[in-house]
Amino acid sequence: AQSVTQPDIHITVSEGASLELRCNYSYGATPYLFWYVQSPGQGLQLLLKYFSGDTLVQGIKGFEAEFKRSQSSFNLRKPSVHWSDAAEYFCAVGPGGDSSYKLIFGSGTRLLVRP
Amino acid sequence: DAGVIQSPRHEVTEMGQEVTLRCKPISGHNSLFWYRQTMMRGLELLIYFNNNVPIDDSGMPEDRFSAKMPNASFSTLKIQPSEPRDSAVYFCASKLAGGPYEQYFGPGTRLTVT
Repeated sequence: AQSVTQPDIHITVSEGASLELRCNYSYGATPYLFWYVQSPGQGLQLLLKYFSGDTLVQGIKGFEAEFKRSQSSFNLRKPSVHWSDAAEYFCAVGPGGDSSYKLIFGSGTRLLVRP
Repeated sequence: DAGVIQSPRHEVTEMGQEVTLRCKPISGHNSLFWYRQTMMRGLELLIYFNNNVPIDDSGMPEDRFSAKMPNASFSTLKIQPSEPRDSAVYFCASKLAGGPYEQYFGPGTRLTVT
């Protein structure tokens, strides 16, 4: 069965420090992969996506993620965190092909930023 | 573009009452999704429409829940009768059909059933 695991429920980093949020997926073929961010009281906003090609993808707000097939991972990174990055982050996986509608979401990682 | 629009943003109702949530997808998007988010269960897909037709409603929790999409620019999610365990944030999302396009989420409706 398809699944997405975000092993860290909470992460706290200092402002200016680097960040890595982990995401592991279970899927039989090459999936489509997404990272979304949710600020309090808001909907989910797409940060970046991976469909194929270069395994290092750049997103908005200075985020990047690397697809590692051998590790079934799609970790999100940012070299220097800003206080405004405090939010909840969701990794999602979708099946390839025409029926790529159904996204499976991870349980989320809440990022806290220390001043 | 205005993005996905949902109304109301907040709804407080008493158990047993009917609740109707509304969604206007992004113009040109022909796939629409309803999700429910709770602390206990996270983000759950309730139902998915393609070209106004319900494709997968396997996530609808029970017969008290129903969804319609009478045209390409409007969808409703109805709960009748509502129960306290329906309290959650309900999101609508839309995307272009046919490909691995990303879903665009609305701001959500926070439903509280007392």
